[in-house]
Amino acid sequence: GESVGLHLPTLSVQEGDNSIINCAYSNSASDYFIWYKQESGKGPQFIIDIRSNMDKRQGQRVTVLLNKTVKHLSLQIAATQPGDSAVYFCADLLWGYNQGGKLIFGQGTELSVKP
Amino acid sequence: GAVVSQHPSWVICKSGTSVKIECRSLDFQATTMFWYRQFPKQSLMLMATSNEGSKATYEQGVEKDKFLINHASLTLSTLTVTSAHPEDSSFYICSARKTGTSGELFFGEGSRLTVL
Repeated sequence: GESVGLHLPTLSVQEGDNSIINCAYSNSASDYFIWYKQESGKGPQFIIDIRSNMDKRQGQRVTVLLNKTVKHLSLQIAATQPGDSAVYFCADLLWGYNQGGKLIFGQGTELSVKP
Repeated sequence: GAVVSQHPSWVICKSGTSVKIECRSLDFQATTMFWYRQFPKQSLMLMATSNEGSKATYEQGVEKDKFLINHASLTLSTLTVTSAHPEDSSFYICSARKTGTSGELFFGEGSRLTVL
């Protein structure tokens, strides 16, 4: 992902529905991606990660899909709950910078869950 | 495990003063730490990479003399905002990578700076 300082897009869903949050990345060399959840006034929380040798990875109520052809990542949240309301960021690891690389964040999406 | 602590969590200062923010890895060693800045309703922007025992590496457009970074031990990195001005008001977040690993970072809870 590349942060360009734009304001966050928003997604509003009904409680119990599934949510899909999308992210595009620009660096074709990226091979490790992470989704973070950030609640207001707090640091990012790790949700799930995926390496480029995978197309899909599932966690508890969350699934990440990776399409390397179009450089697209999505996070699916099943049975969305009010506690899922937060800002969600994708991030990709930029290698070749130092050992272990540096993490670059995408624009983010603000998820709002209506009860 | 893998807890990263930032201090202070919030600070208010007068314009022209300097403010130091600490980032500590509490239960692991971190050769590399990262400092991010986040403005309201925006994403996290990487400011610099903090390397233990060596100079920090700054991202393009970030003034190294304005944002001083010191990484004197394997568990502590500090960010000093020198001669702060209202436009420096932001949420500063650090992250740390366990020594000997690659990839995943562990994030602090952030420090909110308000410059009057």
